Amino acid sequence: NAGVTQTPKFRILKIGQSMTLQCTQDMNHNYMYWYRQDPGMGLKLIYYSVGAGITDKGEVPNGYNVSRSTTEDFPLRLELAAPSQTSVYFCASSILGNRNQPQHFGDGTRLSIL
Amino acid sequence: KNEVEQSPQNLTAQEGEFITINCSYSVGISALHWLQQHPGGGIVSLFMLSSGKKKHGRLIATINIQEKHSSLHITASHPRDSAVYICAVMYSGAGSYQLTFGKGTKLSVIP
Repeated sequence: NAGVTQTPKFRILKIGQSMTLQCTQDMNHNYMYWYRQDPGMGLKLIYYSVGAGITDKGEVPNGYNVSRSTTEDFPLRLELAAPSQTSVYFCASSILGNRNQPQHFGDGTRLSIL
Repeated sequence: KNEVEQSPQNLTAQEGEFITINCSYSVGISALHWLQQHPGGGIVSLFMLSSGKKKHGRLIATINIQEKHSSLHITASHPRDSAVYICAVMYSGAGSYQLTFGKGTKLSVIP
């Protein structure tokens, strides 16, 4: 059972480039989340999804887009990468919301924008 | 703004010591999570609790709703416990998606 899988693990982008961070889970979880973790800061929610076809903004959505065409996949797209988006990105999933179940995290994607 | 405060920020302990990490929050919550982030970066959920106490192996988590405070205890600490421990809360009234995270406590256990 793979859990939550993120690709790539590392990536360097130039300013203005775009890319998609992939996230897939094989636990049939309804809820999926994208977070960013900056040095010395707590994780911040970028976007979340409560099921296929349904997405919504979190605390820091600017500069990002998401889609949820299937239960398994929740890709995060960066358009026009900026140095402020240098961070570690985590995808997570849970079968229910955060009151009821813990989240399962991927191993993270370390992204540098130069 | 609702915040989650953890203390200490950094903690160094000798192997075998009893460890306590604290988490305080500002308003009512419906759930509190303790997470462990390994040196390689991966994050694992340790506990989710809304009242009382939970125990798993050498780890114990407690919460005092009236005092808005939670503690994570590690008994007989071991170098493999070295990690960042993160507290996160679900504030009452928030949608079931929004956790507020603390900045983490970095624990180093020395042999």
